Amino acid sequence: QSVLTQPPSASGTPGQTVSISCSGSPSNLGRNSVFWYQQVAGTAPKLLIYRDDQRPSEVPDRFSASKSGTSASLAINGLRSDDEADYYCAAWDDGLSGPVFGGGTHLTVV
Amino acid sequence: QLHLQESGPGPVKPSETLSLTCTVSGASIGSGSYYWAWIRQPPGRGLEWIGTFFYSGNTDYSSSLKSRVAISVDESKNEVYLHVTSVTAADTAVYYCARQLGYRSSWYSIWGQGTLVTVSS
Repeated sequence: QSVLTQPPSASGTPGQTVSISCSGSPSNLGRNSVFWYQQVAGTAPKLLIYRDDQRPSEVPDRFSASKSGTSASLAINGLRSDDEADYYCAAWDDGLSGPVFGGGTHLTVV
Repeated sequence: QLHLQESGPGPVKPSETLSLTCTVSGASIGSGSYYWAWIRQPPGRGLEWIGTFFYSGNTDYSSSLKSRVAISVDESKNEVYLHVTSVTAADTAVYYCARQLGYRSSWYSIWGQGTLVTVSS
């Protein structure tokens, strides 16, 4: 059971917009920044979003994120086949004194 | 360009100690600008933080692993080490080292490719 809750799966067709949610609590998302990671099968995770809604320069602007209270969301616009991957949210948890991850959402591009 | 590479001895037997090395290239681990974390991922499962080494020499460990884990560095070799004692099958996972930005954060900007450690007799 992960501290941050994500839907186990999501899907979309090429060109669509898909959103992935991440639900937490006051001790994590309520007080600290959320980060998003993309993990393509068989590879290491890659930072996708930092500090709630900031994109590293190498991440396409098709990826965006937001946070409100104890919930966060990742949106992928103009879905592409190579977006098929697992997506994880993460945040520091003040109560646990450590970073916590969501269980991951597997995105399928059909 | 910063690059991280994990390495280890391969399979580990139950009750033994798991020892991994993360070789850092492209930056000095003693530069004081970065923190170094270990994160693992059991087969088919999600990510679990193990611990972080801070350039002050302090460490932070997951409360669930704290009694069995140690992270250290050798600045002369630009390497970060992970030791996990008394391993069981539950420690079977891909182990990643990562550069952490921010004190006590979940901001991992660069990851190694990971190394699979199998605990089996």
